[in-house]
Amino acid sequence: GQNIDQPTEMTATEGAIVQINCTYQTSGFNGLFWYQQHAGEAPTFLSYNVLDGLEEKGRFSSFLSRSKGYSYLLLKELQMKDSASYLCAVRTGGSYIPTFGRGTSLIVHP
Amino acid sequence: DAGVTQSPTHLIKTRGQQVTLRCSPKSGHDTVSWYQQALGQGPQFIFQYYEEEERQRGNFPDRFSGHQFPNYSSELNVNALLLGDSALYLCASSLGLAGYYEQYFGPGTRLTVT
Repeated sequence: GQNIDQPTEMTATEGAIVQINCTYQTSGFNGLFWYQQHAGEAPTFLSYNVLDGLEEKGRFSSFLSRSKGYSYLLLKELQMKDSASYLCAVRTGGSYIPTFGRGTSLIVHP
Repeated sequence: DAGVTQSPTHLIKTRGQQVTLRCSPKSGHDTVSWYQQALGQGPQFIFQYYEEEERQRGNFPDRFSGHQFPNYSSELNVNALLLGDSALYLCASSLGLAGYYEQYFGPGTRLTVT
């Protein structure tokens, strides 16, 4: 099976930087996703990492270390609209179906 | 470009009843996956349809069944509803079984079982 851990909740200030960590234990790793989900809405794709390193996309960056089973999502210049749940999901080569963590609820305050 | 659509948006059912949820994939996509998301949890994979066949299945009982039509749309059926089936049901579409790295999710159907 797979075990994915993320903090349950984080708070940050508008304009600041926040890092959301995700650790996983799995076999046959074949990619890690980050999704954003606003309350009552569908998850939206943010990033996909399959190789070690940092992927930058605007204000959001995602990092992966396969040897450590570790990823983080970095959000810069936080805006109020970034208040949402951030889901880490890991895919294994056998099934291509991502397994989701429980999500990290990020609250951005003024 | 139409995204993933789901119907209905909300549904209230009684224990023991049966329910059917519907999903139309994003234009150009041929694979549909269904997820159950309980409050405060991440989505849990139910099953995936491709070429009108169930290709993979998560850890859900046989009460959960599905179908995919020739136009790639899909239905999720749940029989003998339990209170614990109350959740947001998400449909996600992708191209091909591997789906590359992007699955597009629909807005979901909120099912409440009383």
